[in-house]
Amino acid sequence: GNSVTQMEGPVTLSEEAFLTINCTYTATGYPSLFWYVQYPGEGLQLLLKATKADDKGSNKGFEATYRKETTSFHLEKGSVQVSDSAVYFCAMSTDSWGKLQFGAGTQVVVTP
Amino acid sequence: DAGVIQSPRHEVTEMGQEVTLRCKPISGHDYLFWYRQTMMRGLELLIYFNNNVPIDDSGMPEDRFSAKMPNASFSTLKIQPSEPRDSAVYFCASGASSHNEQFFGPGTRLTVL
Repeated sequence: GNSVTQMEGPVTLSEEAFLTINCTYTATGYPSLFWYVQYPGEGLQLLLKATKADDKGSNKGFEATYRKETTSFHLEKGSVQVSDSAVYFCAMSTDSWGKLQFGAGTQVVVTP
Repeated sequence: DAGVIQSPRHEVTEMGQEVTLRCKPISGHDYLFWYRQTMMRGLELLIYFNNNVPIDDSGMPEDRFSAKMPNASFSTLKIQPSEPRDSAVYFCASGASSHNEQFFGPGTRLTVL
């Protein structure tokens, strides 16, 4: 069946370090892919998305490229800040609209 | 826009009591989703509506859970009777079919003692 797998956390980094969070998916067809971020005590916010192979989503210094050949959508940021500390969720949608399947989430902790 | 509004933000109740969670979606959105988040199971989609009609309720855990959307600006998720294992954060999200994006509310943290 369809599934989203992302690396376990927590990931602990120093400020200005490079961040990568791996995400792979299993799906029939061609899903749309998303990264959501959840700050402490808040709901999820869409960080970026990509709807077809080789698309690159980007926002707030974060990037992810839809790789069909490796069924991956890894999230990267070149220089993290303390304010990037949050839980990051990879998700996909295979329906005509809307129904999201989430990965387990990866907690990121950035220390000064 | 105020975003998705959920109430209450926190709810503490005793086992066996009825709990009602409320959600006001973003105006103009035609999809509404209810999710549950726990440490053990992560984020689970419980049910979603399109134009106030339930489309998929396969995630609703059991008959104790019910959801309604009487109009485009209001939805409820009811648990009756509540049990300690229902303790979780419940999120409501809404979206517009033209944008393929969901906007989440701040959640309701439910504790059932």
